[in-house]
Amino acid sequence: EPEVTQTPSHQVTQMGQEVILRCVPISNHLYFYWYRQILGQKVEFLVSFYNNEISEKSEIFDDQFSVERPDGSNFTLKIRSTKLEDSAMYFCASSPGGTRETQYFGPGTRLLVL
Amino acid sequence: GENVEQHPSTLSVQEGDSAVIKCTYSDSASNYFPWYKQELGKGPQLIIDIRSNVGEKKDQRIAVTLNKTAKHFSLHITETQPEDSAVYFCAARYTNAGKSTFGDGTTLTVKP
Repeated sequence: EPEVTQTPSHQVTQMGQEVILRCVPISNHLYFYWYRQILGQKVEFLVSFYNNEISEKSEIFDDQFSVERPDGSNFTLKIRSTKLEDSAMYFCASSPGGTRETQYFGPGTRLLVL
Repeated sequence: GENVEQHPSTLSVQEGDSAVIKCTYSDSASNYFPWYKQELGKGPQLIIDIRSNVGEKKDQRIAVTLNKTAKHFSLHITETQPEDSAVYFCAARYTNAGKSTFGDGTTLTVKP
């Protein structure tokens, strides 16, 4: 069964550094998402992406964040200058679109900012 | 924006008993309500979902009910097994929008 994959599984970085989290959504899916989950808290929406542009973003998704679909398979989340409070699990998700709105989540990338 | 509240935060049951988790939502425009199971170190996995034109849906030991008037929906797990132990999240979504709004999660423990 196809699944969303994410790399790396863990990332440790110094405050102020840039990180890029990578995702390969399910082939033929049209909608892509990033969510984050701070340890012990709920899953929070960051951004949705469709047709090569952001369709919606939350207040968390400020100018430090950007997303890109550099090719036909990858979907990336970049954090330009990481802060301590960016430490979280980041989940990528994709959905087929149209009337098939189920979101399929990847295993996540655990980001630790020191 | 949408706000989803989930109760209880923790639930412990004996194997074979039933478990019920309840959620309420605030935005009457929400029309799609998925439930996710999250095991340690993994991403949320969809276990069942319900759309606003349906009041109840069942899949083997798992069922979900929706009361649109009261804006609440519930997950029912019957004949619980130790492998049902996990964190369960409810979510609400307006299907033409991108995001799902999640509840706080319920840690379910099924004791053998």
